[in-house]
Amino acid sequence: AQKITQTQPGMFVQEKEAVTLDCTYDTSDPSYGLFWYKQPSSGEMIFLIYQGSYDQQNATEGRYSLNFQKARKSANLVISASQLGDSAMYFCAMREGGGFQKLVFGTGTRLLVSP
Amino acid sequence: DADVTQTPRNRITKTGKRIMLECSQTKGHDRMYWYRQDPGLGLRLIYYSFDVKDINKGEISDGYSVSRQAQAKFSLSLESAIPNQTALYFCATSDFAGGGETQYFGPGTRLLVL
Repeated sequence: AQKITQTQPGMFVQEKEAVTLDCTYDTSDPSYGLFWYKQPSSGEMIFLIYQGSYDQQNATEGRYSLNFQKARKSANLVISASQLGDSAMYFCAMREGGGFQKLVFGTGTRLLVSP
Repeated sequence: DADVTQTPRNRITKTGKRIMLECSQTKGHDRMYWYRQDPGLGLRLIYYSFDVKDINKGEISDGYSVSRQAQAKFSLSLESAIPNQTALYFCATSDFAGGGETQYFGPGTRLLVL
C-alpha cells in the first residue's frame, strides 16, 4: 500500500491566489513526521515545512502552512499569495516512528503559477 | 556557499564503467543519505550513514556501494553502471533535534548511463 499519496499530478493557480496541494498518508505508528519539499526546475530539493504527529497546532512557515487533519490522515500544503517562483514540483514525505526511520516520498504534484 | 554540495552535477557514462558521486556538507550533521529520483517514483533511499563507522542499506542498494570518508563526506559508487541507473541522485544530511529530523538535500547529480 502507498504510504504517501499525492493525487494531483498537476495544479494551476493564478498569481496572488492561494492553492492547496493534497497529501494523504498511511501509518499505524502513533509517532511520525510529515514534510513538504519543493523541487524547482533546476532540480534541487528544498525543505519547506514539517509537522510532527503530536504537534497540537498546524505548522506554518511564512506563506506555507500545513493543514494537518490527523483523523483523516491528511497533511495538505497551503501556499498563500502564490508567486511565479512557486512554480515547481512539490513532494510530501513521511517519517514513521522515533529514532531513525527513512523518509518515504509521494510522487509529487507539479504546480504552475500563471501571471 | 551551499551547505550540502555534490560533484559532479552532471555525468554521462557508458555501461560497465565505474563511477563515483561525491557529497560534502558543512552543516556538521552526523547523518548522511543517498537517494535516487526517477520520474513518477519520487525519491528512494539507497544508503544511509549515522556516522563514520555506521553504514546501512536502504531500499534499493543493489548495484551501489558507499564510503563515509569523514563526518562531512559521503560517496556513492556504481561499480559497473547500467542504463537503468540513469537517474537524478541526491545526497542529504540530517541531525536529530528534539522530535523532528529534517533532511536537507544537496543540489543533485544527473547521471546518464548509455
